[in-house]
Amino acid sequence: DTAVSQTPKYLVTQMGNDKSIKCEQNLGHDTMYWYKQDSKKFLKIMFSYNNKELIINETVPNRFSPKSPDKAHLNLHINSLELGDSAVYFCASRKANKADTQYFGPGTRLTVL
Amino acid sequence: AQSVTQPDIHITVSEGASLELRCNYSYGATPYLFWYVQSPGQGLQLLLKYFSGDTLVQGIKGFEAEFKRSQSSFNLRKPSVHWSDAAEYFCAVVADSGAGSYQLTFGKGTKLSVIP
Repeated sequence: DTAVSQTPKYLVTQMGNDKSIKCEQNLGHDTMYWYKQDSKKFLKIMFSYNNKELIINETVPNRFSPKSPDKAHLNLHINSLELGDSAVYFCASRKANKADTQYFGPGTRLTVL
Repeated sequence: AQSVTQPDIHITVSEGASLELRCNYSYGATPYLFWYVQSPGQGLQLLLKYFSGDTLVQGIKGFEAEFKRSQSSFNLRKPSVHWSDAAEYFCAVVADSGAGSYQLTFGKGTKLSVIP
């Protein structure tokens, strides 16, 4: 009964490849996010989706494209991978209220060689 | 714009000793504040949160935090640390970028090491 799940957990790939990370939540939440954690453990918001609509898009390269086929899923597709994309990517979800907790997935560690 | 500062990058305490992790925030309105813990190789788990009411908030695993508006602080405390508390701790504030997104802005984290 995992609340927020991500696949794959580890992803190792070559520069220039295209890859996707999948996220699913079974909590019935309205909003989903992608965060990036760099090598110094700093977490930064990348995208947010509310009821399948993109509502923020922080300054990330347009090689990153989030896609939400339905309210329970938010996938992240990355084109033309670069060395600097190596990081841990976390998916999260929450209900609508500002005070509601964000629940995080286990993370996907992406390594670009 | 909102921001969160965690002044201590790394703290080492002995098992059984008390712990305080510092967090300062910058936010124009009433802040909604969170503490998350990340064990090695794991995702983030919520320890506690504050958004209104009693300024001393109790969380899981024996942690508590106190909101002090005058000092713009939300420090995390535990009276007696266990070896299993060794992890990375993140303070965060909720910000609204519009349309109810309410994303989290995180501090840079404090790594806690526990000496047996």
